[in-house]
Amino acid sequence: DSGVTQTPKHLITATGQRVTLRCSPRSGDLSVYWYQQSLDQGLQFLIQYYNGEERAKGNILERFSAQQFPDLHSELNLSSLELGDSALYFCASSARLGDEKLLFGSGTQLSVL
Amino acid sequence: DQQVKQNSPSLSVQEGRISILNCDYTNSMFDYFLWYKKYPAEGPTFLISISSIKDKNEDGRFTVFLNKSAKHLSLHIVPSQPGDSAVYFCAATDSWGKLQFGAGTQVVVTP
Repeated sequence: DSGVTQTPKHLITATGQRVTLRCSPRSGDLSVYWYQQSLDQGLQFLIQYYNGEERAKGNILERFSAQQFPDLHSELNLSSLELGDSALYFCASSARLGDEKLLFGSGTQLSVL
Repeated sequence: DQQVKQNSPSLSVQEGRISILNCDYTNSMFDYFLWYKKYPAEGPTFLISISSIKDKNEDGRFTVFLNKSAKHLSLHIVPSQPGDSAVYFCAATDSWGKLQFGAGTQVVVTP
């Protein structure tokens, strides 16, 4: 158990649909990060939340949105899905701002058919 | 705009030998560098880091070297073991704390 829980592990959907990925950070961690890993693209930073507030934004598409709830879990919403959105989506958490030693979940594999 | 680059997608090394993984970056504002290791079906895990005020950091079999003037860092694994077979990601951050990753290098340690 890595401490960061992501659900679901696998998701298969069709183009044009909308999905929600869920992340529960390690207990006590206030910061949540979302990353996308496509083939040969490495880990692309999407967005960071700290204690419920958006902290930093990366290459996140307008069709994607996220939020962090009062209980610190986070959701990543992907809408109007395209084939190119197929990827592994990772959530990571850290205890405080400036702590770059992130703890990653095992990811959600999204397949858009 | 890929600011952290790992130009070798794969590396094969014999057990007991040294593995050297390279990473280049373009952003001179980066001041903290990390290496993460990833096994299949798992998320990346933190391996070792180095601050820009140092040029070397060692942790057991793993050593990271930083050459700021060349904007280059490397990870040395000595000796390489079969359990080291994984994908290794180089990452860098500036004072804003937005961690940027490279594309990864797949390391295969052969008997």
